Amino acid sequence: AQKITQTQPGMFVQEKEAVTLDCTYDTSDQSYGLFWYKQPSSGEMIFLIYQGSYDEQNATEGRYSLNFQKARKSANLVISASQLGDSAMYFCAMREPYRKLTFGKGTLLTVNP
Amino acid sequence: GAVVSQHPSWVICKSGTSVKIECRSLDFQATTMFWYRQFPKQSLMLMATSNEGSKATYEQGVEKDKFLINHASLTLSTLTVTSAHPEDSSFYICSAVNREYTGELFFGEGSRLTVL
Repeated sequence: AQKITQTQPGMFVQEKEAVTLDCTYDTSDQSYGLFWYKQPSSGEMIFLIYQGSYDEQNATEGRYSLNFQKARKSANLVISASQLGDSAMYFCAMREPYRKLTFGKGTLLTVNP
Repeated sequence: GAVVSQHPSWVICKSGTSVKIECRSLDFQATTMFWYRQFPKQSLMLMATSNEGSKATYEQGVEKDKFLINHASLTLSTLTVTSAHPEDSSFYICSAVNREYTGELFFGEGSRLTVL
């Protein structure tokens, strides 16, 4: 079974609008970490936001927020006020204790002017 | 913030030659580094976990004799693609974690290998 599922291969959003990128995960551990990364066409992986499984508040970093619903095992990324520079591939990832980081298949976001 | 530097960014080589890619943590001690491979429009696939001073742990299906990993210091890990063939052409990216292994991993810029 997939550990990280991103069901949206591609998403389109108008500039200045908000967009939600879906991510669900599967783990039996109580302690884990959830990450979102952005990968522009240049290839570098840019860390966006982190949510610990014990964090009670949803993580926020500027225009990025993580909608963490633990019971549903979902960790959706919300980007507010989209910008043209947000067009990129977005990966959700999970790290379980003492284990490697597991990535989803990614969502290609295109921001239209 | 922490920076991981990867070199070279681009490399083109002839079939049969070996290519070395370096991954350096610039402002922290990386006890563990990870090497990933990424095909176009796909996710990152973990190849191996590199721990300083010990042998790398390879993922299932990754040939350890083909992809040699050395982690000789707390700031440097190298990946050598030996006797490269066109099917080895890919984007290789490393990441590093600090001793505390908390928070985000730090990724290098990636290295695009093309084998002719």
